Amino acid sequence: AQSVAQPEDQVNVAEGNPLTVKCTYSVSGNPYLFWYVQYPNRGLQFLLKYITGDNLVKGSYGFEAEFNKSQTSFHLKKPSALVSDSALYFCAVRDPLSGGYQKVTFGTGTKLQVIP
Amino acid sequence: GAVVSQHPSWVICKSGTSVKIECRSLDFQATTMFWYRQFPKQSLMLMATSNEGSKATYEQGVEKDKFLINHASLTLSTLTVTSAHPEDSSFYICSATSDRKNQPQHFGDGTRLSIL
Repeated sequence: AQSVAQPEDQVNVAEGNPLTVKCTYSVSGNPYLFWYVQYPNRGLQFLLKYITGDNLVKGSYGFEAEFNKSQTSFHLKKPSALVSDSALYFCAVRDPLSGGYQKVTFGTGTKLQVIP
Repeated sequence: GAVVSQHPSWVICKSGTSVKIECRSLDFQATTMFWYRQFPKQSLMLMATSNEGSKATYEQGVEKDKFLINHASLTLSTLTVTSAHPEDSSFYICSATSDRKNQPQHFGDGTRLSIL
């Protein structure tokens, strides 16, 4: 079984400050991990993924995420937040051993509010 | 690349009618498509997984006869909400992925369905 947790419903950060959106996961094998962003009344946009290799993954719009196997975490980060980053962020995990047509499990989402 | 088009973006219809939502992958072959339902301020709920040329796999609790899914080609999947009722009002989102290993899901922009 695979699961993912986003412990914060909302994160507030001042514009220009660094931001972190937290995600922890649980899988039986080595995970595939993803971050998506959702703007109001829109679908999800892919930001970045971790499959293997370097623990620090860089993605779209200046976002990056760090895979930490010992802490089973995959936190999303950005060095300097923009007001336009305000949106809903979803972490997702897939256990490659689970089969199931590449089905992923999504977290409950974290609303990021960047304050001008 | 990896664009998914979902149509219509907004539907308002009377109770008892059937509504069809289309999901198209525009620049890649989508061997697998997913249909999600999203309630306000909540995460994505996977409804079903469809593979081209085969029957959809529905998640537990999702009525197969209520939500008809067809994946007739590698670029098109449709979701038909039959005999819709007000409780079916929701935001429906499709996603698509190719059979290339480790690829993320790419999402449509969603369909806001309102049943009067």
